[in-house]
Amino acid sequence: SQKIEQNSEALNIQEGKTATLTCNYTNYSPAYLQWYRQDPGRGPVFLLLIRENEKEKRKERLKVTFDTTLKQSLFHITASQPADSATYLCAPENNAGNMLTFGGGTRLMVKP
Amino acid sequence: NAGVTQTPKFQVLKTGQSMTLQCAQDMNHEYMSWYRQDPGMGLRLIHYSVGAGITDQGEVPNGYNVSRSTTEDFPLRLLSAAPSQTSVYFCASSYHPQPTLNYGYTFGSGTRLTVV
Repeated sequence: SQKIEQNSEALNIQEGKTATLTCNYTNYSPAYLQWYRQDPGRGPVFLLLIRENEKEKRKERLKVTFDTTLKQSLFHITASQPADSATYLCAPENNAGNMLTFGGGTRLMVKP
Repeated sequence: NAGVTQTPKFQVLKTGQSMTLQCAQDMNHEYMSWYRQDPGMGLRLIHYSVGAGITDQGEVPNGYNVSRSTTEDFPLRLLSAAPSQTSVYFCASSYHPQPTLNYGYTFGSGTRLTVV
């Protein structure tokens, strides 16, 4: 069965450092993958989309990589700020192409 | 633009009761979907729709019904509520299930449902 793994343990980093979050998937080959941010009590907010033919995508302080051989996506936040503290969800497209499957998310805590 | 609007924000039901969770979007999105989010389980797809008059099942459809009579609205009906349906429910929409542009899903703020 399709499986998405994100580190369920919170990631604690110091302000100004680079945060790196990992998303691993098994048993399917998504054509694209999305990353979302979710704050407590709120719905997820779309951040970035990366396609299988794109190795890397950037948006301001965010960078996403997509390695279809390793079946892994990495999400980086450079020069992290306390306001970046949230849960980050990865969502690879499923094989049928008509829905997203979400990972459980990784909670990021940026300490001042 | 209001985006995706979900009502109610909170609801307590007794086992066996039925209710409808409302979802409306004003972005003319073709694709709409319902997810439930439980601790440790992530977001799981319940039902989705690729356009008015078209619906399909997701990963966990049992106990839920949907309809899509208009582009704007996508209500989720709980037929006979069970404690296992206690969860936070999110509605999401997008231009297309397979985005050709860099658009993701727009989510509502959620409905927190407790079944006692």
